[in-house]
Amino acid sequence: EVVLTQSPGTLSLSPGERATLSCRASQTVRSNYLAWYQQSPVYGLRLLIYGASSRAIGIPDRFSGSGSGTDFTLIINRLEPEDFAVYYCHQYSSSPRTFGQGTRVEI
Amino acid sequence: EVKLVESGGGLVQPGGSLRLSCSASGFTFSNSAMHWVRQAPGKGLEYLSLITSDGGTTYYADSVKGRFTISRDNSENMLYFQMSSLRPEDTAVYYCVRDLTWGQGTLVTVSS
Repeated sequence: EVVLTQSPGTLSLSPGERATLSCRASQTVRSNYLAWYQQSPVYGLRLLIYGASSRAIGIPDRFSGSGSGTDFTLIINRLEPEDFAVYYCHQYSSSPRTFGQGTRVEI
Repeated sequence: EVKLVESGGGLVQPGGSLRLSCSASGFTFSNSAMHWVRQAPGKGLEYLSLITSDGGTTYYADSVKGRFTISRDNSENMLYFQMSSLRPEDTAVYYCVRDLTWGQGTLVTVSS
């Protein structure tokens, strides 16, 4: 199975700063079928990015995803208070689907 | 609009059984593979099971293999997860998933 490793485990930042989250796969994620989810008390579990770089409906453009193959990145520009949450990467290219262990973005 | 609504969670004793249900709407259920994912309190997301659109192929994570059974009723647009021999470590919110759309989850608590 594809193992996803997220780094860092915790990111301590202030509102207005930029967050850079990494997700590394143990093997190629075919067709860049890599998604990012946010989990927070405000939004619950919310899909942010799919296909490595496409924003889901209603997601602000301060969220951006990039990468291909085995290395993927989620960038959050100008952190808002509601962005302090846990973020998971998720590959849906091969079975079984797998998740990263999560990155906590904290104030 | 794609909608998934789980039900059937609750408190159960260790060794007990529970059946989760997921009602699907807003898409052609019979054409969609479906999944179950769970999240234990304070933990990350754990992928548990898959069933193909026709129900012909299933997958289980090692943590639930032999104890849990995924099934579906395409005539009723329903997904099921029969859980038996439940353990305290099965305590979690269980989510029904189609593609990248999730239900709101149902809480299963295994405790005496």
